[in-house]
Amino acid sequence: AIQLTQSPSSLSASVGDRVTITCRASQGINRALAWYQQKPGKAPKVLIYDASSLQSGVPSRFSGSGSGTDFTLIISSLQPEDFVTYYCQHYDSYPLTFGGGTKVEIK
Amino acid sequence: QITLKESGPMLIKPTQTLTLTCTFSGFALSTKREGVGWIRQPPGKALEWLAFIYWDDEIHYSPSLKSRLTITKDTSEKQVVLIMTNMDPVDTATYYCGHRRAAASGAFFEYWGQGTLVTVSS
Repeated sequence: AIQLTQSPSSLSASVGDRVTITCRASQGINRALAWYQQKPGKAPKVLIYDASSLQSGVPSRFSGSGSGTDFTLIISSLQPEDFVTYYCQHYDSYPLTFGGGTKVEIK
Repeated sequence: QITLKESGPMLIKPTQTLTLTCTFSGFALSTKREGVGWIRQPPGKALEWLAFIYWDDEIHYSPSLKSRLTITKDTSEKQVVLIMTNMDPVDTATYYCGHRRAAASGAFFEYWGQGTLVTVSS
């Protein structure tokens, strides 16, 4: 199974900061990667799919890049509602897997 | 408008069999490449994919849980059912179902249910 390693597992930042989260796959997955945001007690919400396509309705401060094994989620200017947890998920093949998550905390 | 909702027991004893139902609306699960999956999340931990069923009954399971899982669909009732046998306290988690749109490029989940917390305890 393809393993996804997210880093960092947590980070502290301030409102307005630019934040970068990475997701590394144990083998190449082309661009078959999605990023989710999860607020406490809620289901995840897809932000990015196909590594860099912005899901409809998602603010443009979120962006994704990468292909093969290395992927990045960037939040260009953190807003108060962005201090939550983010997950990557690959869908290149079965079994599907999720990354371990990155919790973004207020500094 | 697509919605999904999970239902099932909140508390189950070790060794028992868990049956969860995902009742959906806004789609028929009869369009090519459309599918529904199950994902779980232990308290304070990461998401874990469990199983997926496509419109044509193609099925995939997590290898680590395959021997314990069965996923089925009833399109007339607009339900997808997940059965997990031999439950253990480590299976305590919030269980989600999610929908893959037919037009999506792959099996990521654009729509999710609210989740249902299942606690395994004697």
